[in-house]
Amino acid sequence: AQKVTQAQTEISVVEKEDVTLDCVYETRDTTYYLFWYKQPPSGELVFLIRRNSFDEQNEISGRYSWNFQKSTSSFNFTITASQVVDSAVYFCALSAAINAGNNRKLIWGLGTSLAVNP
Amino acid sequence: EPEVTQTPSHQVTQMGQEVILRCVPISNHLYFYWYRQILGQKVEFLVSFYNNEISEKSEIFDDQFSVERPDGSNFTLKIRSTKLEDSAMYFCASSANRSQPQHFGDGTRLSIL
Repeated sequence: AQKVTQAQTEISVVEKEDVTLDCVYETRDTTYYLFWYKQPPSGELVFLIRRNSFDEQNEISGRYSWNFQKSTSSFNFTITASQVVDSAVYFCALSAAINAGNNRKLIWGLGTSLAVNP
Repeated sequence: EPEVTQTPSHQVTQMGQEVILRCVPISNHLYFYWYRQILGQKVEFLVSFYNNEISEKSEIFDDQFSVERPDGSNFTLKIRSTKLEDSAMYFCASSANRSQPQHFGDGTRLSIL
C-alpha cells in the first residue's frame, strides 16, 4: 500500500523560530517521487519541492530545507527563522506509478497546519 | 510563468444539477489530473488523463463523473447529478511528463445546496 503520514496536525511557533514538519511515507515502488506543497489561507496549492527516490541529497532553498532519508522513509521539511507569511497548511505527497507508464497520481498526507505568530 | 487556470473560482449549484468545472492546463503539458479537497481534509486523487484517455481513476470517480479535453486546450470535469457530498474544492493539475511536478490551478470551490 502507498501512504503518506504527517503526524503533526497543527504546529504553532513564534516568528524567527525554526520548525520541522515531519513526513513518513510507505511505498513498494523502487522509483518514486516525493513532494511538498504549501496551501496558504487563500487555498491554492503551491509546489515547493520534488525529490526522486534515487537522490538522497538534502536540499536547501533559502530558509527552506529538506531532509530525505530512505532508511527511515522520511522526507522532513524545515523552515529556518520562520515568518508570519509561512503560515499555511503544508502537504507532503508521494507520486506512485499508476500503471505501465503513464501518469503518476499524487498520494497526499493529511497536512500540517503551521501557524507562525508575531 | 505559465499557470494552470481554473474557472469558475466558486460555483454554487442545486443538488441534482449538472456542473462543469473548467481547466486550462499549461500549454506544453501532456498529463492532466483532477483532485478534490473536502473542506479541512486532505487532497484526494480523482482522475488522471493522458493521450485523450483516462489513465487512472479513483473509487470516488464514479459514473456521475466524466472528463473531457474537447478542444486541445481545455480540460473539463463534469458531475452529472451533484450530491451534497460533492461540495469541495476541486483542483486541476498538469505536468509536462510523468516525472515532472504537477502544477495546480487555484481551484474551484463547489458548493452544493
